[in-house]
Amino acid sequence: EVQLVESGGGLVQPGSSLKLSCVASGFTFSSYNMHWIRQAPKKGLEWIALIYYDSSNKYYADSVKGRFTISRDNSKNTLYLEMNSLRSEDTARYYCAKDYSALYYFDYWGQGVMVTVSS
Amino acid sequence: DIQMTQSPASLSASLEEIVTITCQASQDIGNWLAWYQQKPGKSPQLLIYDATSLADGVPSRFSGSRSGTQYSLKISRLQVEDIGSYYCQQAHSNPLTFGSGTKLEIK
Repeated sequence: EVQLVESGGGLVQPGSSLKLSCVASGFTFSSYNMHWIRQAPKKGLEWIALIYYDSSNKYYADSVKGRFTISRDNSKNTLYLEMNSLRSEDTARYYCAKDYSALYYFDYWGQGVMVTVSS
Repeated sequence: DIQMTQSPASLSASLEEIVTITCQASQDIGNWLAWYQQKPGKSPQLLIYDATSLADGVPSRFSGSRSGTQYSLKISRLQVEDIGSYYCQQAHSNPLTFGSGTKLEIK
């Protein structure tokens, strides 16, 4: 059974940093591209980052480019999102998601982790 | 960036009714479109990919179609367990973008 379990969220002040993790199981993690997607409270879904299975390519939404970094450790089956210079508009539930056969669809999602940026 | 214009924003329908949700892409995305369902308090779930292909385990009452740059999700006979929000997503090019969502309720 595919499982994605995020952690690392919390309440932080504007301008601070946070690093999210997503531990994957039930599939060959090193063979799949992975994504981070977020959802602000009562709002829609926003894709924010993609990393290829071998870390050869990374893509970001303009809203986080230069502030967030996606990475992975295939030896630990873990996906990361390092978030710097956090703003109030980054407040959201952050989901990691598995890519469906390199087609840029999301076939499995974690339960998400909440990040709240507030003073 | 490719914009996905989704309608309606909300929808109230009766059980067993046919429900249709649409998404208009701002440019040609071919069949690179998916639909997701998000039940209240849960993570989204993939329903349809490649505009018309049903994801594993998804009931056959869900179907997708395409006409040019307009895409539709149809629920043929609405069930109670179908309540929630629905999102389209284009997978044609980065940045990947979602529609704004449709909240579906039972009348």
